[in-house]
Amino acid sequence: EAQVTQNPRYLITVTGKKLTVTCSQNMNHEYMSWYRQDPGLGLRQIYYSMNVEVTDKGDVPEGYKVSRKEKRNFPLILESPSPNQTSLYFCASSLAPGKGSYEQYFGPGTRLTVT
Amino acid sequence: KNQVEQSPQSLIILEGKNCTLQCNYTVSPFSNLRWYKQDTGRGPVSLTIMTFSENTKSNGRYTATLDADTKQSSLHITASQLSDSASYICVVSRREYSTLTFGKGTMLLVSP
Repeated sequence: EAQVTQNPRYLITVTGKKLTVTCSQNMNHEYMSWYRQDPGLGLRQIYYSMNVEVTDKGDVPEGYKVSRKEKRNFPLILESPSPNQTSLYFCASSLAPGKGSYEQYFGPGTRLTVT
Repeated sequence: KNQVEQSPQSLIILEGKNCTLQCNYTVSPFSNLRWYKQDTGRGPVSLTIMTFSENTKSNGRYTATLDADTKQSSLHITASQLSDSASYICVVSRREYSTLTFGKGTMLLVSP
């Protein structure tokens, strides 16, 4: 089954404790992206990757890191989480955008709480 | 500035009725416009994708229209069902760019 998976689905952590949210897709997609969703603000892009070893900042990259060592995986790293990073996070993937109207598939979401 | 504005913010309709959601955008240069449905706490799911040359596209009871001249789109839901209760998000892609601009969504509640 074609899908985007994220782990963990729920996470409660404390300020400053490094964490990683994993994202994996099995559709051989070039493009992967991370979003956060907050009430009243909608989905906002954090980082995206056009292909292996190619990453770029989205609208709200501060406090986040990403890596794309393999095509299928795109982990989101919070080196020193802060309470304002409490949010619902989504990973998504698609064939290369900008070159066609390809559907973007979203993962199930990771609800992160930083205390 | 590239923006996507949706209206109304929220909407309550009776089961079986029709409704229309609006999306205005200023994103340029335009590549395509997407409508997503997002159930509470879940990832968005694509309903339609339309390019510059497409005026209308249907997916079951969902019909999206696009006027690229006025930069407006609408999503019409026919014979609403309780399962249509969700947030509907309009997303616009810029040509040759890799980022998407999201609207804040319209929250639809279908009441029995």
